[in-house]
Amino acid sequence: DVKVTQSSRYLVKRTGEKVFLECVQDMDHENMFWYRQDPGLGLRLIYFSYDVKMKEKGDIPEGYSVSREKKERFSLILESASTNQTSMYLCASTSGGGWGSMNTEAFFGQGTRLTVV
Amino acid sequence: KQEVTQIPAALSVPEGENLVLNCSFTDSAIYNLQWFRQDPGKGLTSLLLIQSSQREQTSGRLNASLDKSSGRSTLYIAASQPGDSATYLCAVSHGAGSYQLTFGKGTKLSVIP
Repeated sequence: DVKVTQSSRYLVKRTGEKVFLECVQDMDHENMFWYRQDPGLGLRLIYFSYDVKMKEKGDIPEGYSVSREKKERFSLILESASTNQTSMYLCASTSGGGWGSMNTEAFFGQGTRLTVV
Repeated sequence: KQEVTQIPAALSVPEGENLVLNCSFTDSAIYNLQWFRQDPGKGLTSLLLIQSSQREQTSGRLNASLDKSSGRSTLYIAASQPGDSATYLCAVSHGAGSYQLTFGKGTKLSVIP
């Protein structure tokens, strides 16, 4: 059974804290993604990675960074958390690499509800 | 820039009714289209994946169609049940070498017993 696991379902952090969100997949997928989901705005891509140590900015990378030291793990880092980063964070993965590689199914984790106070 | 639209934003139907959810996208150069289900406070569960060369996919009571040239997809749910109540999202994968999925904002479905 394929699985994408996010380390926390719920997190409460204080403004200015450094926050780590962890995502692990057990499908040997090349591509991993971080999205945030907000009411009325839908899912927005923060960062993605198509290989170990590779990363690409998505639509809203400001205030975030990522790390992919191992193929199965993709971390999202909030360097200094702010209240406007309160959101649902979703991690996803897909297999494949290169042109036309996206003919593959995306799998999501269960989500992390982050509240910054 | 690829945009995905889902109409209606919310839908309420009585149990047992057949229903159709709509998804449209602005750029027909897609690799595939995927339908997801999301329960409140949870992640996304993949329902159906349609490759760009396919016209439809079926899984149980669900049938998804794709008309790439017109930029449209539909998700047909037969004999709806209260357990089908959730938000349904569609997403397209696209772009020259891009690894991105672009999502619609979803249709919130309520099936009334």
